[in-house]
Amino acid sequence: KAGVTQTPRYLIKTRGQQVTLSCSPISGHRSVSWYQQTPGQGLQFLFEYFSETQRNKGNFPGRFSGRQFSNSRSEMNVSTLELGDSALYLCASSLEKTLPGELFFGEGSRLTVL
Amino acid sequence: DQQVKQNSPSLSVQEGRISILNCDYTNSMFDYFLWYKKYPAEGPTFLISISSIKDKNEDGRFTVFLNKSAKHLSLHIVPSQPGDSAVYFCAASGEYSSNTGKLIFGQGTTLQVKP
Repeated sequence: KAGVTQTPRYLIKTRGQQVTLSCSPISGHRSVSWYQQTPGQGLQFLFEYFSETQRNKGNFPGRFSGRQFSNSRSEMNVSTLELGDSALYLCASSLEKTLPGELFFGEGSRLTVL
Repeated sequence: DQQVKQNSPSLSVQEGRISILNCDYTNSMFDYFLWYKKYPAEGPTFLISISSIKDKNEDGRFTVFLNKSAKHLSLHIVPSQPGDSAVYFCAASGEYSSNTGKLIFGQGTTLQVKP
């Protein structure tokens, strides 16, 4: 069974640009969550989508947005990039019926903002 | 406001000995706790979890202890193996009935197990 796939794995952008990251969940998983990992901050929750609807949102500015498609694939977008947006962005999927929090993570997309 | 804290950034132990990783939380509404392990260039993988109605959960070499009154949990690895060397994240959920993907993570502890 294929795992969670994130693309691209690495990307470099400059300040002011925008970026779109993609996540394909494990087949059958309808929940997709996004996290930002920075040194010293651990993983910080961005948002979660379930059946194409945003179910939860973390404390990030409106420059961070996302969406989910009917096939459960998800994208997140960051507009007007800032240096502080440099991070590893992790996507995780889960089954509807699993215990809370048992997430399956992808390898992440590492974003560098210059 | 760090609701989940792992105060030790790193820990080094000898192979075969016990590794104890600690985690503190501040939100009394958290009712489910998890540990994830992360190797470099890989995503975190689920290790073990515990519900707030329990004080201990064991899975092979891994045991998680929960002390609700102290708002503290710990992960014990016995015996430690070099392959356990990784970053360990403690996480909490306060939405047991909602079954959401929203977790509050600690900053992580890097465990090094020396041969």
